[in-house]
Amino acid sequence: GQQLNQSPQSMFIQEGEDVSMNCTSSSIFNTWLWYKQDPGEGPVLLIALYKAGELTSNGRLTAQFGITRKDSFLNISASIPSDVGIYFCAGFIQGAQKLVFGQGTRLTINP
Amino acid sequence: GAVVSQHPSRVICKSGTSVKIECRSLDFQATTMFWYRQFPKQSLMLMATSNEGSKATYEQGVEKDKFLINHASLTLSTLTVTSAHPEDSSFYICSATSLGSYGYTFGSGTRLTVV
Repeated sequence: GQQLNQSPQSMFIQEGEDVSMNCTSSSIFNTWLWYKQDPGEGPVLLIALYKAGELTSNGRLTAQFGITRKDSFLNISASIPSDVGIYFCAGFIQGAQKLVFGQGTRLTINP
Repeated sequence: GAVVSQHPSRVICKSGTSVKIECRSLDFQATTMFWYRQFPKQSLMLMATSNEGSKATYEQGVEKDKFLINHASLTLSTLTVTSAHPEDSSFYICSATSLGSYGYTFGSGTRLTVV
């Protein structure tokens, strides 16, 4: 079945640094989504990408939908303590009407 | 924006008992709801997809008789863990979407502990 490979699995950075994470797949997805999950909570949507090549920003977050439709990246600029959490990419399988999730990137920030 | 309410947030139950988890879409009609299971430090694993008024579609390896899903209305889906055992302890999360939408809104999750 479809799988998403997300990297890195974890990141330890200093406050103020920029962050970059990405997802790749052997399958084509119609939509890429990026979520953030805080401990004990459900994922919250950060950015949705609907077209190949699309570059979308949400505040300090920027994400791009790869041209091949098989990859996406998320950048966070000037990290702050509240950015700590687990970030998941997700691909939408249109025919099956469901999301496939990456393994997650755990972000830790040292003040 | 779309809001999904999940209840309870935490539940502790004894082995052999059943537990029901509710997922409600508060401000939109959820034609499709999804139930996920998440183990510590792991990703979300889709358990089943439910469409309003029809039987749920379970992912491979998920026991439909153990995890009963009901989606009787456009705003409510329930997951019942029957005859729970300690290995069923996990974080269960629902999400909901409406017809034609690519937006998936997640509930806040339910931490189930079976003792």
